[in-house]
Amino acid sequence: DAKTTQPNSMESNEEEPVHLPCNHSTISGTDYIHWYRQLPSQGPEYVIHGLTSNVNNRMASLAIAEDRKSSTLILHRATLRDAAVYYCILRDVFAAGNKLTFGGGTRVLVKP
Amino acid sequence: DSGVTQTPKHLITATGQRVTLRCSPRSGDLSVYWYQQSLDQGLQFLIQYYNGEERAKGNILERFSAQQFPDLHSELNLSSLELGDSALYFCASSARSGGQDGYTFGSGTRLTVV
Repeated sequence: DAKTTQPNSMESNEEEPVHLPCNHSTISGTDYIHWYRQLPSQGPEYVIHGLTSNVNNRMASLAIAEDRKSSTLILHRATLRDAAVYYCILRDVFAAGNKLTFGGGTRVLVKP
Repeated sequence: DSGVTQTPKHLITATGQRVTLRCSPRSGDLSVYWYQQSLDQGLQFLIQYYNGEERAKGNILERFSAQQFPDLHSELNLSSLELGDSALYFCASSARSGGQDGYTFGSGTRLTVV
């Protein structure tokens, strides 16, 4: 599986945007970029995913670099509920037996 | 409610025993995945099933086994339990087997082996 690199932790103030970077320099052409988050004492929660173009949904935006070697998850207005560990994961659409492989993720702290 | 149902939510059992964890995927999803999360290991992929067939194996011990039934629910069987098997076990589902779909996770089963 292609690997991703994320900062261990980030801090943000409530109601300010949060930009979470992810490097994936060995990404292949068939790798989707997935983002999940895990709130304390809960299961992982899907946030967003994309292949080449930027993606938006009600939770966040995903900005993908033109060479696809990095991406940024954008939380437009952080709330206290957004404090979680955020995981950036690559998932090959054609790999036999697809699975999400979780790394260490970025722990986001939101200050009131 | 994510749509993925895991039972039981909590389980306490003794070493050497056997337990079965159950997962019902979100309606319409054909793939089921099992993950283990312990304090010092993070989220570890165990196994994937797609429409009743095993598709991928991760770090699953020989003492553990799983299956997916015709109604698409899945069971994870853990036997000869050891103290180190204490962890959160998550089930996730997706519509298809490829990377084009996101996963939906259940709320997990917390297993404590004493």
